[in-house]
Amino acid sequence: RKEVEQDPGPFNVPEGATVAFNCTYSNSASQSFFWYRQDCRKEPKLLMSVYSSGNEDGRFTAQLNRASQYISLLIRDSKLSDSATYLCVVNIPPQAGTALIFGKGTTLSVSS
Amino acid sequence: DGGITQSPKYLFRKEGQNVTLSCEQNLNHDAMYWYRQDPGQGLRLIYYSQIVNDFQKGDIAEGYSVSREKKESFPLTVTSAQKNPTAFYLCASSILSTGVGQPQHFGDGTRLSIL
Repeated sequence: RKEVEQDPGPFNVPEGATVAFNCTYSNSASQSFFWYRQDCRKEPKLLMSVYSSGNEDGRFTAQLNRASQYISLLIRDSKLSDSATYLCVVNIPPQAGTALIFGKGTTLSVSS
Repeated sequence: DGGITQSPKYLFRKEGQNVTLSCEQNLNHDAMYWYRQDPGQGLRLIYYSQIVNDFQKGDIAEGYSVSREKKESFPLTVTSAQKNPTAFYLCASSILSTGVGQPQHFGDGTRLSIL
């Protein structure tokens, strides 16, 4: 089983749509979870951390289900500028602070 | 502004040649990392360092070498032993935590190709 799995997409949605990405991770001891955004031919940039209680940052909502080892990212009111690849990232204990495992990413394309 | 600087942006390697990719950070981060990304693939860890003068192999260290003589700098050498070096190389840094993992911040990458 791969350590971090994501649906590669692509997800093609119109502006204003709501879209959700899912991610599963294999190590039940993982403690830290992040979503990164990567634009074409650019470096990944931190979008948001994911907390146990779920968290929201503007149009973006992240959820964590530890029992199912599942992370989600919800984007509301999609903008053209949201088009990118979204990477699910998980830490691998006991090397906390060092070993982050990156999923291959889910590609989102928002059209007008 | 604080950040991570990678150079060069583009690099070409001849057969049998070693090349060195530069990575400098002024974020005062203890930990630094090198990743390789191939088209359509996720990031794969090459080497990481948590402290000056110490570094650890990642998942794909063969054909690469690093040094960490200064906190701010973590250069990566792609040796001639790396037979398929064409990729996008990303350097990252983070604060070091003995507890939960910390997010990593990336430089804007170096694209390496074989001539």
